[in-house]
Amino acid sequence: QKEVEQNSGPLSVPEGAIASLNCTYSDRVSQSFFWYRQYSGKSPELIMSIYSNGDKEDGRFTAQLNKASQYVSLLIRDSQPSDSATYLCAVPFSNYQLIWGAGTKLIIKP
Amino acid sequence: EAGVVQSPRYKIIEKKQPVAFWCNPISGHNTLYWYRQNLGQGPELLIRYENEEAVDDSQLPKDRFSAERLKGVDSTLKIQPAELGDSAVYLCASSLVLAGDSYEQYFGPGTRLTVT
Repeated sequence: QKEVEQNSGPLSVPEGAIASLNCTYSDRVSQSFFWYRQYSGKSPELIMSIYSNGDKEDGRFTAQLNKASQYVSLLIRDSQPSDSATYLCAVPFSNYQLIWGAGTKLIIKP
Repeated sequence: EAGVVQSPRYKIIEKKQPVAFWCNPISGHNTLYWYRQNLGQGPELLIRYENEEAVDDSQLPKDRFSAERLKGVDSTLKIQPAELGDSAVYLCASSLVLAGDSYEQYFGPGTRLTVT
């Protein structure tokens, strides 16, 4: 059974703090992982891709991958109110199919 | 570079009526996806095309849903007849998939369907 799990939240973080979002998956074969951001009423927007164990940094965003423990996380530093959105984790399994988590709703409080 | 284009953005129909959605993917992308997303859930794949070929339609309710991708570019998703439970956002995404390449998908703005 292919599963991707996220805490639905909402996760409330003060402005300027670090927001930490987590995602676990059930299949050890997956080689790449994606984080999408979805604002209310909008479509998902790709913000991070990560393919190997360790950290990948892009501006205020850091993706962390641990294949042995089967989790991937997204850290948002210096959180801004504009970061308030739902964050979706997507994991490709065989045959190029992306399996999506249900998303974590993040609220940044000014 | 233009993104994925979808139309219409919103559609309200009565149950049992037909409806169609159109998608134009990012230029050069060979793979096109149709997803359905319900509130509070992640996208659910309905069908995936590689060029003109539907390579994964296992989640498509074939009794009422149909799709086509003529010439390997634009695609149309149709529902006939629509049911109340079909109310959702229908998303189109595209990607460039090559052997050993990534699976990054880029989404259009979606069509919000309301069936009354």
